[in-house]
Amino acid sequence: GDSVTQMEGPVTLSEEAFLTINCTYTATGYPSLFWYVQYPGEGLQLLLKATKADDKGSNKGFEATYRKETTSFHLEKGSVQVSDSAVYFCALSEDYGQNFVFGPGTRLSVLP
Amino acid sequence: DTGVSQDPRHKITKRGQNVTFRCDPISEHNRLYWYRQTLGQGPEFLTYFQNEAQLEKSRLLSDRFSAERPKGSFSTLEIQRTEQGDSAMYLCASSTPGQGAYEQYFGPGTRLTVT
Repeated sequence: GDSVTQMEGPVTLSEEAFLTINCTYTATGYPSLFWYVQYPGEGLQLLLKATKADDKGSNKGFEATYRKETTSFHLEKGSVQVSDSAVYFCALSEDYGQNFVFGPGTRLSVLP
Repeated sequence: DTGVSQDPRHKITKRGQNVTFRCDPISEHNRLYWYRQTLGQGPEFLTYFQNEAQLEKSRLLSDRFSAERPKGSFSTLEIQRTEQGDSAMYLCASSTPGQGAYEQYFGPGTRLTVT
């Protein structure tokens, strides 16, 4: 079945550092890819998405590019802030949103 | 728009008891999803409704679990004869069809502890 693998956390960075959180996937078809974020005490919310190969999703300074050849969707941000501290989940959906598969999440802590 | 709400937020029950959770989606959303999340893991898909029709069920959803969405609005998830392995956070999410299906709006979850 489909699966999503993420780099293990926690990831601890200083403010203004560069962030990369790796995500790779296994899918039988041609999925759409997502990053969801969960801030402390809040529910999951969509951060960005990409629906076809070479698409770049971006939001709030975060970016991720759909790489079909490497089955990856790595999350990047050039300069993190303390407010970016959260758990980040990579996810895929093959059925136009009917069935999502989430990765285990990566906890990010940004220190001032 | 008050967001997705779930009730109760916490539930402690003894093994063997039945529990029922409720989810109220965003009013104009006709898709509703249930997930289970254990500590250190991402949400695991359980089931999905479009309006009142239950269109997809995960193999994780054993016959002790049942979900309903009788009028296409709120949904309930019932677990019968609870087991300690059912202890988890149960998440509900809703969305609209088409491109909107990709943006799931999650509720705060119901944390179940089975003792």
